[in-house]
Formats: sequence, structure tokens, C-alpha cells
Amino acid sequence: AQTVTQSQPEMSVQEAETVTLSCTYDTSESDYYLFWYKQPPSRQMILVIRQEAYKQQNATENRFSVNFQKAAKSFSLKISDSQLGDAAMYFCAYRSVNRDDKIIFGKGTRLHILP
Amino acid sequence: DAGVIQSPRHEVTEMGQEVTLRCKPISGHDYLFWYRQTMMRGLELLIYFNNNVPIDDSGMPEDRFSAKMPNASFSTLKIQPSEPRDSAVYFCASSRLRPSNQPQHFGDGTRLSIL
Repeated sequence: AQTVTQSQPEMSVQEAETVTLSCTYDTSESDYYLFWYKQPPSRQMILVIRQEAYKQQNATENRFSVNFQKAAKSFSLKISDSQLGDAAMYFCAYRSVNRDDKIIFGKGTRLHILP
Repeated sequence: DAGVIQSPRHEVTEMGQEVTLRCKPISGHDYLFWYRQTMMRGLELLIYFNNNVPIDDSGMPEDRFSAKMPNASFSTLKIQPSEPRDSAVYFCASSRLRPSNQPQHFGDGTRLSIL
């Protein structure tokens, strides 16, 4: 079965600095999708960025980018120029292409932004 | 476009009472998911539906939990009788089957407190 591991329960970063959140996953499949979700204190779950496993190019969305290392089964999220509004819980998630439509979530990393 | 709509936003009730959580998915979405989020266990998938049919309910903790989807625009999660350990935030999410890289869209959640 697939698993998603986020080894950093909590992280802090100074405002305007760059921070990287780690995520590793375990799968025997070759085709899948990876996502990062953000959950601010309002508790909404907001999609931040997605990556298709068949694409070698790392996905980027404005200040958010990923470092996707397929062989290492690693999918880290980099937040550049951190802002106070980035403070949230961040979840890494995996979705299979060939099986069912379940998304498997990691336990999350709580990110604090220091002013 | 309206997002996933959950009600109520907050629910406080006494142990032993029946609790019903409601969800309206995004129109046109094939899949509907129910999750439970707690500090201890993170985000847990309880059950999900495809075209109104329950596909996987292996995450439902006990027989006290039941979920229904009578039509494409409505689902309920019921707990009867409720217990203090059921206190959590319950999320509903929906997604489309195609294209395969579609993320899940989450509602704002229901914060359930069982006294």
C-alpha cells in the first residue's frame, strides 16, 4: 500500500526567507500524482500545487515550487519569500492513476512564519 | 462556481445523541469523500463514493458511523450514538474522475464536539 511521510511536524521561517518542507512516499506504481495542500487556521483545505509523476519538470506556482525526485520518491515544497499568510498546516498527498481515486495524505507539517 | 458545502459548521451535542453531518459536492463531480481530522491521527479517510455508490468504507471506525449518498448532490454522515472520542473536524471533499490529475476540493469542515 502507498504511504506518505512528512518527517517535520513543525517548522519556522523568518518572513521573506525561503523554506522547504519535506515529503517522501512509498509506491510500486510508476504513474501517479502528487499534491501539496495548505490548511490555514480557517481550516479550509487549499490546493497549493500538483505534480504529475510522468513529468520531469518540477511544478511551480508563483512563490511555490516543488523538487520532485522520482527515483528517491521525494516531493518537497519550497516556499520563497515567505509571507505571514503562508502560516498553515501543509499536507503532502499521493493519488494513484491506475487504482481508485483515493488520495493518501501525510500527517502534515505546521509552518510558522516569524515576523 | 460554488464549492463543496458542508453543514453545520459547528455542532455541539451531548454523548449518546445522534449527529448528522451534511455535504453538497460540486456539481459534476463523480467522487465524494468523508474525512475526519484530529490532532492525534491527522486526516483520516472514512468512506468515499463514486456515482453515489459507496466504494470503500474501510475507514469507518465503528458501526455507529454510517454514510449515505441518495443522489449526486447530497451526502450525509451519521453518528449514532455519539461519543466524546468522536469529537473532531469532519471534512467532505469531491473530485472528478477525469482528467486524472484533478485534486479533491474540500468543504470548510464541521467541527463536532461531543460533551
